[in-house]
Amino acid sequence: QQQVKQSPQSLIVQKGGISIINCAYENTAFDYFPWYQQFPGKGPALLIAIRPDVSEKKEGRFTISFNKSAKQFSLHIMDSQPGDSATYFCAASRRNTDKLIFGTGTRLQVFP
Amino acid sequence: NAGVTQTPKFRILKIGQSMTLQCTQDMNHNYMYWYRQDPGMGLKLIYYSVGAGITDKGEVPNGYNVSRSTTEDFPLRLELAAPSQTSVYFCASSYSAGMGQGDEQFFGPGTRLTVL
Repeated sequence: QQQVKQSPQSLIVQKGGISIINCAYENTAFDYFPWYQQFPGKGPALLIAIRPDVSEKKEGRFTISFNKSAKQFSLHIMDSQPGDSATYFCAASRRNTDKLIFGTGTRLQVFP
Repeated sequence: NAGVTQTPKFRILKIGQSMTLQCTQDMNHNYMYWYRQDPGMGLKLIYYSVGAGITDKGEVPNGYNVSRSTTEDFPLRLELAAPSQTSVYFCASSYSAGMGQGDEQFFGPGTRLTVL
């Protein structure tokens, strides 16, 4: 129940295309769903996050879609750029707790 | 602000050796965390702390110890290194948990540890 399942493991997208990464969870007590971006040799950094009171959150080219009934959420990267090439992690945590449960990561490669 | 700093960046240990991974944050964050990252496995929480003097186990604490004597520092100790501890270790900090903007965890650059 503590797992967050992420897919795909790797993704290759052409410049200008849409990148979509999916995550699923079991624990209905989760109420905070962030996405972290990690470049090679660096630590992860928060990209965008959502709470289950909304179904979508958009920040620039990055959008989280959230489906509470299906217990799924996804990251959409519009107009993907080579600079978006990185590993992306979804995560989840319960209200007022201090522990994030991370997915296994998706390595995104965007080719010109 | 330097954010979260970690030392060393790289280290090779022999089986049975001990070492301490250092972590310091200058953001006055209450919460600090240690993760390990293995290929295809995501980030696993080793230990965390909600304030000076308070620590608790995460998902994979065996073989590690921590202490939190100050708000700024959260060292991770490996007592008897084993090949299974070969990994990249990340320290992170956050202002608070479950408080909106305070949920963001800030990560250090990582320590790549190899145990031979």
